[in-house]
Amino acid sequence: NAGVTQTPKFRILKIGQSMTLQCAQDMNHNYMYWYRQDPGMGLKLIYYSVGAGITDKGEVPNGYNVSRSTTEDFPLRLELAAPSQTSVYFCASSVKGGSNQPQHFGDGTRLSIL
Amino acid sequence: GENVEQHPSTLSVQEGDSAVIKCTYSDSASNYFPWYKQELGKRPQLIIDIRSNVGEKKDQRIAVTLNKTAKHFSLHITETQPEDSAVYFCAAASGTYKYIFGTGTRLKVLA
Repeated sequence: NAGVTQTPKFRILKIGQSMTLQCAQDMNHNYMYWYRQDPGMGLKLIYYSVGAGITDKGEVPNGYNVSRSTTEDFPLRLELAAPSQTSVYFCASSVKGGSNQPQHFGDGTRLSIL
Repeated sequence: GENVEQHPSTLSVQEGDSAVIKCTYSDSASNYFPWYKQELGKRPQLIIDIRSNVGEKKDQRIAVTLNKTAKHFSLHITETQPEDSAVYFCAAASGTYKYIFGTGTRLKVLA
């Protein structure tokens, strides 16, 4: 298993541009998450999904959109990129269970908005 | 809203000494407490976790303790080594899928 795969690893965007960060997992996990991590800070939840066709907002959803058309993929869309969105973005997934299960993280996408 | 406080934000210890990182959570419904280690430029990786029906869990040099009454839990690393140097994050989860992360502790193990 590759686990959680994120692409691209690095990207520089100009203010106002749009892009999609890709996330795929091959572990058949129901739950998927997008976090952002600002320099020297913790992880803040942007959006999450408990299964295909179901998404919900986390702590910091403004400026982002997600979709979950398949179990494997959970892309994050940035519309009208702003400097405040410069961050490292991590995707994670976990198996559905009767109680909480560990989240497994991808390697991250380092995004700079200039 | 739900909150997890983590202390200290930085911690320096001599190689071979112990390190302790403490977290306090606000949601009394929290029932799962994972700890992640993040090396510079890398992904967070789970190192140990504990569920609310257990008071302590140990895995070699790493242990986690949980005090549900006081709503705090701690990570203990014994016989620290230089490769333990990293940022450590605690998290608390209620329900079955959502975590609240602490702000992280940068641990430096001095050789």
